Amino acid sequence: LAKTTQPISMDSYEGQEVNITCSHNNIATNDYITWYQQFPSQGPRFIIQGYKTKVTNEVASLFIPADRKSSTLSLPRVSLSDTAVYYCLVGDNAGNMLTFGGGTRLMVKP
Amino acid sequence: NAGVTQTPKFQVLKTGQSMTLQCAQDMNHEYMSWYRQDPGMGLRLIHYSVGAGITDQGEVPNGYNVSRSTTEDFPLRLLSAAPSQTSVYFCASRSPGINIQYFGAGTRLSVL
Repeated sequence: LAKTTQPISMDSYEGQEVNITCSHNNIATNDYITWYQQFPSQGPRFIIQGYKTKVTNEVASLFIPADRKSSTLSLPRVSLSDTAVYYCLVGDNAGNMLTFGGGTRLMVKP
Repeated sequence: NAGVTQTPKFQVLKTGQSMTLQCAQDMNHEYMSWYRQDPGMGLRLIHYSVGAGITDQGEVPNGYNVSRSTTEDFPLRLLSAAPSQTSVYFCASRSPGINIQYFGAGTRLSVL
């Protein structure tokens, strides 16, 4: 499985756009990039998944450059309720072994 | 639709006791997994199953057993609890070919 590297923590203020970058230098051709969100005392929740270029849904956008060695999760106009840990995972859609790194702890301040 | 249901939500055990953490899903997912999450850490894979009757080990399988007799259920057994197994345990499920997992709310286990 491709190893991922994310910042340990980030701070932001309400209303700002937050970008969290994940490095995955040894991503394989069949790998997808998936982001999860975890609130305290809850299980992780799927946010967004992409393969290349840009993916957008009602929660976030995911930007993936042509070389796919990194990806950026973009959260528009964050609120206090976006305070959580965000995990970047890389893997193909056939395998079941998912490796969660330490994730990025996002703190949104008023 | 309940999704992934874990029971119990909380459990305190004494060292050496055994117990089973229950996990059930109603989404007809073939793949199911168990993770543990220690304070301030990411999730580590304990065991997983790609279908009824098939199980395999993850990163940290020692001290745990699993079985998969039905598609819906994937219990995790602690054979002889140790303080090092104090953690939050999450069960997850997904469909093959779609690498999006659905997680339960977790079981918080303390071993004294």
